[in-house]
Amino acid sequence: DTEVTQTPKHLVMGMTNKKSLKCEQHMGHRAMYWYKQKAKKPPELMFVYSYEKLSINESVPSRFSPECPNSSLLNLHLHALQPEDSALYLCASSQDLERGGLNEQFFGPGTRLTVL
Amino acid sequence: AQSVTQLDSHVSVSEGTPVLLRCNYSSSYSPSLFWYVQHPNKGLQLLLKYTSAATLVKGINGFEAEFKKSETSFHLTKPSAHMSDAAEYFCVVRLHGSSNTGKLIFGQGTTLQVKP
Repeated sequence: DTEVTQTPKHLVMGMTNKKSLKCEQHMGHRAMYWYKQKAKKPPELMFVYSYEKLSINESVPSRFSPECPNSSLLNLHLHALQPEDSALYLCASSQDLERGGLNEQFFGPGTRLTVL
Repeated sequence: AQSVTQLDSHVSVSEGTPVLLRCNYSSSYSPSLFWYVQHPNKGLQLLLKYTSAATLVKGINGFEAEFKKSETSFHLTKPSAHMSDAAEYFCVVRLHGSSNTGKLIFGQGTTLQVKP
């Protein structure tokens, strides 16, 4: 299985809602990533997990809360979002964060989030 | 500092004609370079990656890229465009260094249009 899956595909939420995005991979990868992508722009890194521990937080607002319950699963909990948070949220995974290797990232199809 | 510049924001070709998407990079280290493709409302798919083993890299779907250190370029080519190649293409460099492990630097993207 060489796939990263993300659920849901689409999500519409109000500014007072709490929702979660889910990402799963069964490639045995130990690094997982969350990206945010606005229309016509490249993805922007939000968080990196390595061996289930948060490795990088790119100064993301606290209304986004990541969680890595196990090596296959990555969640992004959303609370009190703003309309400008509407975007495509992409999950990715790679073998690990080993610096010397090429370690390409495999991306999921994304969750299209709309905040009303 | 490492960076990547995609020289064309939009490229239009006719079906069956060659494709050239241009990418220049800046890196103090021996770079790790990738090309990803993103079809509308989809995740990113790896087309090819540069390993120091060979300067001409072959990827999926007939794409290839040539690493030219003297020109700091990593242009993507395909001999004959297909309608299904219409998509957004990202040239990507992987950051090296202890604090940047796992981070990718994306170019701004090139939209490839294929006309029948």
